[in-house]
Amino acid sequence: EPEVTQTPSHQVTQMGQEVILRCVPISNHLYFYWYRQILGQKVEFLVSFYNNEISEKSEIFDDQFSVERPDGSNFTLKIRSTKLEDSAMYFCASSEVGRVKNTEAFFGQGTRLTVV
Amino acid sequence: DAKTTQPTSMDCAEGRAANLPCNHSTISGNEYVYWYRQIHSQGPQYIIHGLKNNETNEMASLIITEDRKSSTLILPHATLRDTAVYYCIVSLDYKLSFGAGTTVTVRA
Repeated sequence: EPEVTQTPSHQVTQMGQEVILRCVPISNHLYFYWYRQILGQKVEFLVSFYNNEISEKSEIFDDQFSVERPDGSNFTLKIRSTKLEDSAMYFCASSEVGRVKNTEAFFGQGTRLTVV
Repeated sequence: DAKTTQPTSMDCAEGRAANLPCNHSTISGNEYVYWYRQIHSQGPQYIIHGLKNNETNEMASLIITEDRKSSTLILPHATLRDTAVYYCIVSLDYKLSFGAGTTVTVRA
C-alpha cells in the first residue's frame, strides 16, 4: 500500500538553529500538507501546497516557516531559527485532489522535533 | 468548516461493536464527514468518509442522519489494536480541523 514517508523520525536541534523536515508524498498525489501536534495538544494545520506554491496557510505558519518541493518526489518544511515552542510532532500529508470527493488525505508517521 | 462535538472518551469490550457518535449541526451542504484515528501519537490514519449516504469499508461503517447533523462511526468488532483517539471532522478540503476527538479504549 502506498504511504507517505517522513525523515528523520526524530530530530534534536539547538534553539536558533535551522531544521529541514523531509517528506516523500505518495507518488501520484498533487496536494501536500504539513500539520503539527505539540505534545498533549490537538493536531494543527500549518500549510497546504499545490502546483509549486502555497495554497493556504494558518496563523502558525509565519515567516519562520517555509515549504519547498525541491524535486519531483520530496516535500520539505524548513524552520528557521527554531524556538523551544517549535518542539512538536510534524506530520506531512498528501492527497490526490484538493477538494474532498472520493479520495482521502494520507498522513506520514511524523517527525518528532525537539528544540533544546 | 463546521464544528463537531464528540464525547471525550468511551470504553468498548473486545469483539463487540463500538459506536462513536458525532454532532455536526452546522454542517453545510458540500461538506463531507471524515473520520480519522490516531494511535499513540502516530500519524492520523484515515478511516472513512461520506457526504449523505451511509458508507462501509473494511475498517468501519459510517451512518449519517438524514438531516446530516450527526453521524456515527461503527467499528463492527473492536480489537485491542483499535484503542486510539478518533476524530470526526467536517470539511470541504484537506485543511482538516482536528478537535480533541474521542479516546476509545478497547478492553479485553
